[in-house]
Amino acid sequence: GIQVEQSPPDLILQEGANSTLRCNFSDSVNNLQWFHQNPWGQLINLFYIPSGTKQNGRLSATTVATERYSLLYISSSQTTDSGVYFCAVVGDNFNKFYFGSGTKLNVKP
Amino acid sequence: DAGVIQSPRHEVTEMGQEVTLRCKPISGHNSLFWYRQTMMRGLELLIYFNNNVPIDDSGMPEDRFSAKMPNASFSTLKIQPSEPRDSAVYFCASSLVQGLTDTQYFGPGTRLTVL
Repeated sequence: GIQVEQSPPDLILQEGANSTLRCNFSDSVNNLQWFHQNPWGQLINLFYIPSGTKQNGRLSATTVATERYSLLYISSSQTTDSGVYFCAVVGDNFNKFYFGSGTKLNVKP
Repeated sequence: DAGVIQSPRHEVTEMGQEVTLRCKPISGHNSLFWYRQTMMRGLELLIYFNNNVPIDDSGMPEDRFSAKMPNASFSTLKIQPSEPRDSAVYFCASSLVQGLTDTQYFGPGTRLTVL
């Protein structure tokens, strides 16, 4: 299967700071998604981004499929951004989702 | 819309018992997904359905696990017999577009504890 590595594994920020989360994958993919799981366990799909750049408020994501990585940018972080951010990719067979182990973010007031 | 609904929210059972988890996807969505999350293995896609038809069940860990989607508004994930290592949070998600290429909306999850 496809190996998905996320970095850093843990990140502590002061409210208002910016951050970049990285997702590397080992093979060509047809789909890449970013998810956020809040401290209460709720999962939310942030971006579907197989290539290019997308923005949604203070969050943006860029995927460079040819170089096999994706970046998630969080600007002006807020305490509500805390939680775990997962990256997941779909291989060329379109049938399997491969998840990274996540980046745990803690934004302190 | 009420979002994806899962029941029960918490389930505690004893080893060997049958467990049935339920999911109601968002109305009009065409794909439904079952995930499992554990500390050891992280998030795993177990199975997904397009238009009520199972597409890929390669993530189902063992024959003890089975999933059905008898209609567009209901799905079950059954574990029989359950074992302590099945303890996890099970999420159901649905998406409008078929397959893995669309935004998925997750339910709140079912926390299963097998004693």
